[in-house]
Amino acid sequence: KAGVTQTPRYLIKTRGQQVTLSCSPISGHRSVSWYQQTPGQGLQFLFEYFSETQRNKGNFPGRFSGRQFSNSRSEMNVSTLELGDSALYLCASSLVRGPGANVLTFGAGSRLTVL
Amino acid sequence: AQSVTQLDSQVPVFEEAPVELRCNYSSSVSVYLFWYVQYPNQGLQLLLKYLSGSTLVKGINGFEAEFNKSQTSFHLRKPSVHISDTAEYFCAVSSPGYSTLTFGKGTMLLVSP
Repeated sequence: KAGVTQTPRYLIKTRGQQVTLSCSPISGHRSVSWYQQTPGQGLQFLFEYFSETQRNKGNFPGRFSGRQFSNSRSEMNVSTLELGDSALYLCASSLVRGPGANVLTFGAGSRLTVL
Repeated sequence: AQSVTQLDSQVPVFEEAPVELRCNYSSSVSVYLFWYVQYPNQGLQLLLKYLSGSTLVKGINGFEAEFNKSQTSFHLRKPSVHISDTAEYFCAVSSPGYSTLTFGKGTMLLVSP
């Protein structure tokens, strides 16, 4: 069974640009969550999507947005990039019912560097 | 609100020695507890989880953890570490019925020969 796939793995942007990151969940997993990891703030929850609807949201500015498609794949977008947005962005997927529900499996992450 | 405290940012240990990584949590509701490991340039891998039942939980790679409700702790242990266990370890908490995790700051386990 394929794991959680994130693309791209690495990318470099400049301040003011925008970026879109993609995540394909494990087959059968319909919930997708996004986390930001930085040396200073650690791992912080961005948002969770289920059935193409945002189910939960962390404390991030509106420049951070996401969406989920009917096949459960998800994208997150960061607009007007700032230096502080440099981070590892982790996507995770989970089942929503049954054994293993709400246990997150993470992808390898997308490392964003903002210059 | 929930919070997780990992008391040690770094734990150096010699190969084949035992190790304990400490984790305390705060929550006003019942909890699920997790330990994840992160190797360099990789995502998070689930080591073990406590959802209910036995308070002693066994995970992958010989790790185990014990849920102590009165102490609000979930310490991770391994009786004999290997060089390959060098990584960062994260303790996390969620609420039953929800997948959103609150993470601790992480503990870097450094195993030397």
